[in-house]
Amino acid sequence: KNQVEQSPQSLIILEGKNCTLQCNYTVSPFSNLRWYKQDTGRGPVSLTIMTFSENTKSNGRYTATLDADTKQSSLHITASQLSDSASYICVVSPNRDDKIIFGKGTRLHILP
Amino acid sequence: DTEVTQTPKHLVMGMTNKKSLKCEQHMGHRAMYWYKQKAKKPPELMFVYSYEKLSINESVPSRFSPECPNSSLLNLHLHALQPEDSALYLCASSQDGRGRNEQFFGPGTRLTVL
Repeated sequence: KNQVEQSPQSLIILEGKNCTLQCNYTVSPFSNLRWYKQDTGRGPVSLTIMTFSENTKSNGRYTATLDADTKQSSLHITASQLSDSASYICVVSPNRDDKIIFGKGTRLHILP
Repeated sequence: DTEVTQTPKHLVMGMTNKKSLKCEQHMGHRAMYWYKQKAKKPPELMFVYSYEKLSINESVPSRFSPECPNSSLLNLHLHALQPEDSALYLCASSQDGRGRNEQFFGPGTRLTVL
């Protein structure tokens, strides 16, 4: 069964600190993996998208990594800011015309 | 223009009301989606339109009726909803209906059913 699991479920860190969010998936075959940021009550906004041949991709202070062999991805946030408080959702696309599969997200809280 | 817009932002309706949610994109995308999202849960797919034809209906109750008047517009007609239908309704679009293509999400409509 195709699944996407994220950890931790929630995370609290101080402003200025770094953090890493995890995503494990069992989707096969695999097309791409995306990280979205979703502010409360708003739509998800894409941060990064990686295919199986890409190991890392950066978008400002956000860096995503992908290990297609172990089916794991991480999202590293550097020098966190209060505006980083949001849910971060890992989404995996199968290599078919199938629906995309959402993880349950990690809720990140940045404290001043 | 890389934006998906949704109106209204907020909607409060009674169980006997009829209302519509609207979604618009001008990216030339040929697939559009409706998702329902409850608090602290991931979005759940409801409908997919591909080239203006309904391609996926995830067994959604008939009180939700989608409509795609043209390739840029997507509506969701609501009638006789239940309080448990209160949620954030998200519209998304992608180049075509293949799952491998990136989906761009709108800001959502916060729906409250009284």
